[in-house]
Amino acid sequence: DAGVIQSPRHEVTEMGQEVTLRCKPISGHNSLFWYRQTMMRGLELLIYFNNNVPIDDSGMPEDRFSAKMPNASFSTLKIQPSEPRDSAVYFCASSPGQGTANEKLFFGSGTQLSVL
Amino acid sequence: AQKVTQAQTEISVVEKEDVTLDCVYETRDTTYYLFWYKQPPSGELVFLIRRNSFDEQNEISGRYSWNFQKSTSSFNFTITASQVVDSAVYFCALNSGGSNYKLTFGKGTLLTVNP
Repeated sequence: DAGVIQSPRHEVTEMGQEVTLRCKPISGHNSLFWYRQTMMRGLELLIYFNNNVPIDDSGMPEDRFSAKMPNASFSTLKIQPSEPRDSAVYFCASSPGQGTANEKLFFGSGTQLSVL
Repeated sequence: AQKVTQAQTEISVVEKEDVTLDCVYETRDTTYYLFWYKQPPSGELVFLIRRNSFDEQNEISGRYSWNFQKSTSSFNFTITASQVVDSAVYFCALNSGGSNYKLTFGKGTLLTVNP
């Protein structure tokens, strides 16, 4: 079975440009998470969806960040306009249940974003 | 508030050595779950183990073993007879509360196993 699929694997863009990261969760999984990984802050939860509905976006750094999940098999994370401090690895993860404390997460390979 | 501390930033060993990765956690909840994830050079995080706060039995899976001690709030991970393929970043994580979906990750430990 395919795991969580993220695209692109690498994205290099210039400051001010719009960036869209994509994620296809594992089929049948009800919960989807976007995480950001940086050297300084480690892994941080940006947003959590359950059954395609955003439940908690308190981790989204600012209004430049937005995320959507139009259906159960696709999610996007958009940064507009991008800034150099957004450079990080962005991970998408899914889980089969309701995102409760005991669930293990299945991670994608991540998108390495570099904003010049 | 939840907190996970992995004091070892980097560890380097020679193949076949045993190595222990430390994890200390903080939570006020009595029900919580502890996890270990592995991040190999390919990038994706891979689930290794989950323990709940009511089960202090240590676990062994092949060369991997985990020591959970509530008295010291620790959940340490030992690799026996390490191999080059074990080289990765290892993350300890905590989630407390039944409906809480927020995993708190430690900063990770980079393990390098040299041939």
